[in-house]
Amino acid sequence: AQRVTQPEKLLSVFKGAPVELKCNYSYSGSPELFWYVQYSRQRLQLLLRHISRESIKGFTADLNKGETSFHLKKPFAQEEDSAMYYCALSGIWGDDKIIFGKGTRLHILP
Amino acid sequence: GAGVSQSPRYKVAKRGQDVALRCDPISGHVSLFWYQQALGQGPEFLTYFQNEAQLDKSGLPSDRFFAERPEGSVSTLKIQRTQQEDSAVYLCASSLDRGQGNTIYFGEGSWLTVV
Repeated sequence: AQRVTQPEKLLSVFKGAPVELKCNYSYSGSPELFWYVQYSRQRLQLLLRHISRESIKGFTADLNKGETSFHLKKPFAQEEDSAMYYCALSGIWGDDKIIFGKGTRLHILP
Repeated sequence: GAGVSQSPRYKVAKRGQDVALRCDPISGHVSLFWYQQALGQGPEFLTYFQNEAQLDKSGLPSDRFFAERPEGSVSTLKIQRTQQEDSAVYLCASSLDRGQGNTIYFGEGSWLTVV
């Protein structure tokens, strides 16, 4: 079964501390993994995708096929990082629907 | 337009009423998706169009849900005889095409409350 699991509904981190949002997945095939972010009163938008190997707003995520994980990390949290974060996957050839996790709310404490 | 546009932004419907939600994708985008997001949940896939062809409707929860995109641009999601469990945000998204590497852009959503 295709599934994305985000075990934490809420994560509170102090400003300047490291952030790690966990994501595990189940997929029969080669998936493409994404992180989407939704800031307050804004629309859902793509943060990063594993095939790009980019660092966006200081966030990185490494696909670990052995552990079927795609955790999102940032070494030093900033207040503007407070948002809802969704891990998602689709088929690697772009011919499958995107499946989302339930999301983790990241709250950066001052 | 600059982005995916959805209307109405907010809709309150009485149980049993029919509703229609509209999506204007980004101009030139071939692929269009509808998602349903209940409170506290992630977006759940409903259906997908490539141009005017509805290629996947596996996520539509019942035959009360119907989507169309007759001219390959604007799409309408129709819900007949609404029930309380239909209360959710309905997200529309579009992308240039369905291939790998194409970014999907989301609208702000239509918030449906069934009372």
